[in-house]
Amino acid sequence: LAKTTQPISMDSYEGQEVNITCSHNNIATNDYITWYQQFPSQGPRFIIQGYKTKVTNEVASLFIPADRKSSTLSLPRVSLSDTAVYYCLVVLLTGGGNKLTFGTGTQLKVEL
Amino acid sequence: DGGITQSPKYLFRKEGQNVTLSCEQNLNHDAMYWYRQDPGQGLRLIYYSQIVNDFQKGDIAEGYSVSREKKESFPLTVTSAQKNPTAFYLCASSMLSGNTEAFFGQGTRLTVV
Repeated sequence: LAKTTQPISMDSYEGQEVNITCSHNNIATNDYITWYQQFPSQGPRFIIQGYKTKVTNEVASLFIPADRKSSTLSLPRVSLSDTAVYYCLVVLLTGGGNKLTFGTGTQLKVEL
Repeated sequence: DGGITQSPKYLFRKEGQNVTLSCEQNLNHDAMYWYRQDPGQGLRLIYYSQIVNDFQKGDIAEGYSVSREKKESFPLTVTSAQKNPTAFYLCASSMLSGNTEAFFGQGTRLTVV
C-alpha cells in the first residue's frame, strides 16, 4: 500500500515559487502520482498528474525522479489565492479497481 | 452541463435518525467515492464503487451504507450506528484507469443535534 507523506504546512509570500514534496516509498509500477488542491468548504480540485520525469501545465509543474519514490509539486509565483490544502495521491489499482486514498495534505499559506 | 452534484448542501438531523445524502453524476464515470472530512483534517474514504451493484468498504465504513443501483447515482446513508456523524461529506467520481482525474461535488455539511 503506497502511503504518502507530505509536510503538514508551508508558508510563502506572493511572487515566490513554492515546492511541496511528497514521499511515496512503496509506489507500485502501475501507480500514477496525482495532486489536488482544496479550498475551505469545497471539494478538492485536480491540479496535475504524472508517471515519471516532469509534467507541466498552466498551473503547476510536477517533478518525479527516476526511482519514483517521491514527487515535487512546483507552484510558480504564488498569489494569495493559492492559499489552500494540497494533497498528493498515489492512484492505487487494487483488485477492485481504483481506490483514491487521500493523506492529510499540506496547508499552504501565502502572505503579502 | 456535465458534473457531479451533491444535495443538499446543508443537512440537520436529530440524533438517532438515519439520513441519506445524494450524489449524482452525468460524466459517465464508472467509479464513485464517498469521503468524510472533519475540521482541519484530510479526506477519509468511506465507500467506493467501480460498477453498478458493486461497492467496496473504505477506511471508515462502519455506521454507513451505500447503494449503486444506477451508474449515475451513489447515495450514502448515515445510520444511527455512526457515533460521530457530524462532518463534511464529499462525493467524487472518476474513470477507471491509471491516469484518472477525480471530480468532486461541492459537499454536504451534515450536523446532527
